[in-house]
Amino acid sequence: EAGVAQSPRYKIIEKRQSVAFWCNPISGHATLYWYQQILGQGPKLLIQFQNNGVVDDSQLPKDRFSAERLKGVDSTLKIQPAKLEDSAVYLCASSLTHISQETQYFGPGTRLLVL
Amino acid sequence: KQEVTQIPAALSVPEGENLVLNCSFTDSAIYNLQWFRQDPGKGLTSLLLIQSSQREQTSGRLNASLDKSSGRSTLYIAASQPGDSATYLCAVRANAGKSTFGDGTTLTVKP
Repeated sequence: EAGVAQSPRYKIIEKRQSVAFWCNPISGHATLYWYQQILGQGPKLLIQFQNNGVVDDSQLPKDRFSAERLKGVDSTLKIQPAKLEDSAVYLCASSLTHISQETQYFGPGTRLLVL
Repeated sequence: KQEVTQIPAALSVPEGENLVLNCSFTDSAIYNLQWFRQDPGKGLTSLLLIQSSQREQTSGRLNASLDKSSGRSTLYIAASQPGDSATYLCAVRANAGKSTFGDGTTLTVKP
């Protein structure tokens, strides 16, 4: 089966610019996650969707970050305006359901550099 | 708030050695614990998933154990190979599917 797809793979922007990332989960997976991974650290959950509804966005900086999952399939994560500290890898993952026994499958990530 | 710690942060071993990676967590009320591998510039690959009711899981040369009461998990790699070089992350999953990750152990296996 095809894995989780993400684009772009790399993005370089200047601070205060806007950027958007796209994720296509594994077909049939109801749950989708966006993580932020800063160099040398483990991934930190930004937002979790169950179908097109938000389950957890407690760690999403809502003043600058937004995410949507229209039609419960693809998702986009947007940063507006970007700050230097947003430089990180943004990982998308999906699982069959939100049940905690399910394995999460990760995409390759989008590497963002903010100058 | 769940905190996950992985020690050591980096490990270098000669090929063929058996090794143990450690993961500790502060809140024992977990649903499962998962070990991942991350290669440079790549996403995460799931290695082993241990449910809270289980004590260990095995896959090939990998064996992961879980002691929920003490808040610890270990990943044992037998007969290490240069291809095992990567960063190994553990993630603890609580209710509603939220995972908390450690910062990983970067393993280098020298030929």
